[in-house]
Amino acid sequence: GDSVTQMEGPVTLSEEAFLTINCTYTATGYPSLFWYVQYPGEGLQLLLKATKADDKGSNKGFEATYRKETTSFHLEKGSVQVSDSAVYFCALTQGGSEKLVFGKGTKLTVNP
Amino acid sequence: GAVVSQHPSWVICKSGTSVKIECRSLDFQATTMFWYRQFPKQSLMLMATSNEGSKATYEQGVEKDKFLINHASLTLSTLTVTSAHPEDSSFYICSAGEGSSSYNAEAFFGQGTRLTVV
Repeated sequence: GDSVTQMEGPVTLSEEAFLTINCTYTATGYPSLFWYVQYPGEGLQLLLKATKADDKGSNKGFEATYRKETTSFHLEKGSVQVSDSAVYFCALTQGGSEKLVFGKGTKLTVNP
Repeated sequence: GAVVSQHPSWVICKSGTSVKIECRSLDFQATTMFWYRQFPKQSLMLMATSNEGSKATYEQGVEKDKFLINHASLTLSTLTVTSAHPEDSSFYICSAGEGSSSYNAEAFFGQGTRLTVV
């Protein structure tokens, strides 16, 4: 079945550092890909998405590019802030289904 | 954007009692709602998918009689944890889809319910 693999955390960075969280997927067909963020004590929020190969999703300085050839959707940010500390989940949906398949999540801590 | 409201946001109950969690779509009709459980330091695990007016579809390993799901209207789904035990303590999250056949369909999440069974 479909699956998502994320780099294991936790990840600890200093403010203004460059962030990469790796995400690869296994799926038949052409899934849509998502990054969700869960801030401490809150529910999941959609951070960005991409629906076809070579699409780039971006939001709040975060970016991820849908790479079909490497089945990847790595999350990047050029300069992280303390407020970016959260758990980040990579996910996919298949075709017209709204059923999400999640990775295990990567906890990011950004220190001042 | 679409709003999904989950209530309560946290609840503490005694072992052996039942707890009901509500999930409402506030500004759209949700043909399909999903219930997830999040264990500490783990990902969200899909428990069941509920469709309005029909029985929920449970994922493998999820006890149907313990986690009762009712999707009585296009804006409301409820999850009842029956005869709760401490091992049921977890973070429960619902999400709702607009039921579109669009390839770009995305789910909207409630804020989650922290259940603690003592």
